[in-house]
Amino acid sequence: GQQLNQSPQSMFIQEGEDVSMNCTSSSIFNTWLWYKQDPGEGPVLLIALYKAGELTSNGRLTAQFGITRKDSFLNISASIPSDVGIYFCSSRTGNNRKLIWGLGTSLAVNP
Amino acid sequence: EAQVTQNPRYLITVTGKKLTVTCSQNMNHEYMSWYRQDPGLGLRQIYYSMNVEVTDKGDVPEGYKVSRKEKRNFPLILESPSPNQTSLYFCASSDSNSGAEQYFGPGTRLTVT
Repeated sequence: GQQLNQSPQSMFIQEGEDVSMNCTSSSIFNTWLWYKQDPGEGPVLLIALYKAGELTSNGRLTAQFGITRKDSFLNISASIPSDVGIYFCSSRTGNNRKLIWGLGTSLAVNP
Repeated sequence: EAQVTQNPRYLITVTGKKLTVTCSQNMNHEYMSWYRQDPGLGLRQIYYSMNVEVTDKGDVPEGYKVSRKEKRNFPLILESPSPNQTSLYFCASSDSNSGAEQYFGPGTRLTVT
């Protein structure tokens, strides 16, 4: 079945560093979504991408929809302690009503 | 405030004792969904609903039931809970029929002994 391969699985960085994570698949998708889950909370949508090549920013976060439509990346610039959490990518094909989810990237930030 | 609410937030129960986890959204969303989250397995969809009286199975529906009698509510029912249903459960809703851009509830941590 369709799978999203999210990497890295976990990251431990120093405050102020930039972070990059990505999501890849062997399937073509028409939507990429990036969510963040804070400890003890439900996931919250960060960025939604709907067009191949699209580059979208949300504050210190930037995400891109890969031109092949098989991948997406999320960058966080100048990380701060509140960036700690699990970041999930999610996607869907055409008229498919189901979202496919990556297994998440766990981010820890050392102040 | 736009939100998805779940109750209870924490529940410890015994094998076989029927339980219901409620989910309600105040955003008039057509689409609602239930997920379970387990370590190393990410988010797995249990059931989803495209609208009132329309429900469909997700990836892991066994042992669960749902109903959608009203647009705002989407309860998850465990008729006979078993220990392998110990998990963190999330309800989500969306205003897109495709289910993209979902809003999640705060989660219900269920322990079945």
